[in-house]
Amino acid sequence: NAGVTQTPKFQVLKTGQSMTLQCAQDMNHNSMYWYRQDPGMGLRLIYYSASEGTTDKGEVPNGYNVSRLNKREFSLRLESAAPSQTSVYFCASSEGQYNSPLHFGNGTRLTVT
Amino acid sequence: QQQVKQSPQSLIVQKGGISIINCAYENTAFDYFPWYQQFPGKGPALLIAIRPDVSEKKEGRFTISFNKSAKQFSLHIMDSQPGDSATYFCAASRAGRRALTFGSGTRLQVQP
Repeated sequence: NAGVTQTPKFQVLKTGQSMTLQCAQDMNHNSMYWYRQDPGMGLRLIYYSASEGTTDKGEVPNGYNVSRLNKREFSLRLESAAPSQTSVYFCASSEGQYNSPLHFGNGTRLTVT
Repeated sequence: QQQVKQSPQSLIVQKGGISIINCAYENTAFDYFPWYQQFPGKGPALLIAIRPDVSEKKEGRFTISFNKSAKQFSLHIMDSQPGDSATYFCAASRAGRRALTFGSGTRLQVQP
């Protein structure tokens, strides 16, 4: 049982380049999330999808777009990367209730130069 | 505005000692308070959680203490072990909102 799988694990981009971070879960969860983790800032929510077909902005959505491709997959796109987007990105899923545990992937470490 | 404030930022404890991490929240609508544990190179994982209708919850060596009037909650790790060395995040959420608000994290080192 793989849980939540994120690809790639590492990525280096130049300012202005675009890329898509991929996330897939095999737990049949309804809700999926994208967080970014920065030193001293904890985990901040970028976007989430409460259920297939819906997406909502989180705390720090600027510069990002998301697609809930199907129930399993939730992608995060950076259209024009900026150095401020250097971070570790985590995808998570949950059954969907507000007190359901989040199951996280192992993250994508992104560096924008 | 940080809705969940966590302290300390880092903590060094000797093996067998008690580790204490504190969090304070502002939004009185929060009614679910989990703690997540993160090892290097891994994503966070749920450790223990509490609802405000109880003042304490214990699971093995891990205890959450909750003070509703002070809007504070804390994680106590008894008999701390080197394997407990990790980053710990407190978090909060409320009914009607699906996403957790996390604290800034505490890096715990347990020295042998």
